Amino acid sequence: QKEVEQNSGPLSVPEGAIASLNCTYSDRVSQSFFWYRQYSGKSPELIMSIYSNGDKEDGRFTAQLNKASQYVSLLIRDSQPSDSATYLCAVNADTDKLIFGTGTRLQVFP
Amino acid sequence: DTGVSQDPRHKITKRGQNVTFRCDPISEHNRLYWYRQTLGQGPEFLTYFQNEAQLEKSRLLSDRFSAERPKGSFSTLEIQRTEQGDSAMYLCASSLRAGSTDTQYFGPGTRLTVL
Repeated sequence: QKEVEQNSGPLSVPEGAIASLNCTYSDRVSQSFFWYRQYSGKSPELIMSIYSNGDKEDGRFTAQLNKASQYVSLLIRDSQPSDSATYLCAVNADTDKLIFGTGTRLQVFP
Repeated sequence: DTGVSQDPRHKITKRGQNVTFRCDPISEHNRLYWYRQTLGQGPEFLTYFQNEAQLEKSRLLSDRFSAERPKGSFSTLEIQRTEQGDSAMYLCASSLRAGSTDTQYFGPGTRLTVL
């Protein structure tokens, strides 16, 4: 069983819409959760971190965490074509390494 | 803050050759991580350092792989006797451990192709 699971996509949304990206994790002791954006051929770029249950907003991005359901999500409001990328969910459990999902590819079309 | 840097950005080598990659972390970051990423997958943890001490190595890291971080600054990752299966993007990340938080920032990566 994969430790961090994401739908590989692609998730296609029109420009201006809300993109919703989801991630589940298996280790209940997980403490820290991260979303990274990765453009093709580039390295991951940190978008959001979240540590407590609830929502965390930063500009057009909102991360949501539900530890009871072992679920973390990322909402992108007013999606732009430049948001088209792969979004990686990463979880930090009781060790300090990050466990990544395989990523969800987002396509925003004009 | 100049960010994490890695060198080289691309490396093409023949099977059986040794390669070495370098990573320079964000200044004052005490932790340095190495990950490997293949096409269509998320990064996989290889090893990490806190200052100069190597604290954890993945089971994925065979004895052909060795990493060092002398003096707790830059780090090198060496792969001996490369195999075609070693072809991947090698990513370095650094962080400043502060309390319970440890946010990792990635460098541009080194793409290795083994022919």
